[in-house]
Amino acid sequence: AQSVTQPDIHITVSEGASLELRCNYSYGATPYLFWYVQSPGQGLQLLLKYFSGDTLVQGIKGFEAEFKRSQSSFNLRKPSVHWSDAAEYFCAVGAQGGSYIPTFGRGTSLIVHP
Amino acid sequence: GAGVSQSPRYKVAKRGQDVALRCDPISGHVSLFWYQQALGQGPEFLTYFQNEAQLDKSGLPSDRFFAERPEGSVSTLKIQRTQQEDSAVYLCASSRTGGSDTQYFGPGTRLTVL
Repeated sequence: AQSVTQPDIHITVSEGASLELRCNYSYGATPYLFWYVQSPGQGLQLLLKYFSGDTLVQGIKGFEAEFKRSQSSFNLRKPSVHWSDAAEYFCAVGAQGGSYIPTFGRGTSLIVHP
Repeated sequence: GAGVSQSPRYKVAKRGQDVALRCDPISGHVSLFWYQQALGQGPEFLTYFQNEAQLDKSGLPSDRFFAERPEGSVSTLKIQRTQQEDSAVYLCASSRTGGSDTQYFGPGTRLTVL
């Protein structure tokens, strides 16, 4: 069974600073990996996903993530954070060749200071 | 077209009552998913439909939970004899074909059981 660990419950950054949210997964084969963002009262929105190929994935809103198989990680990065990026971020892993239903981490809450 | 919609957005039930939560997927989307998101947690998979067929219900926590999608579009998640531990946000998502296709999430229904 697959699982996801997001070790940081809360992250606080200043507006304009860079951001890295950590995600570690556990899955025996090649995973599908996702990052979603959830703003208060909103549904989850897909930021980016990795299925195969280039391990550096570009997403929406200026986000990117890098798949590192050797570290079982899929960390999310953004070079300069905007106040509107304050939200809950979820990493998820899905099983290739299966139903692809994602297993989500518990989320990281991003707080942005002006 | 419109995104995934869910109704009601908020539901308060007394313990022991039955509730029905509705999901309207994006028009033409074949696959539909239900998730349960407890406070401070990531979404957890409940069940998955492809058209009207319920292909996976492994995540339903008990036989009090029942989901249907009789005509392959709108879906209803029913919870019988609600318990306090059922309090959560129930998220619905749809995807165009299923599999590795991107899932689009609705805003969720927040269920509070008193």
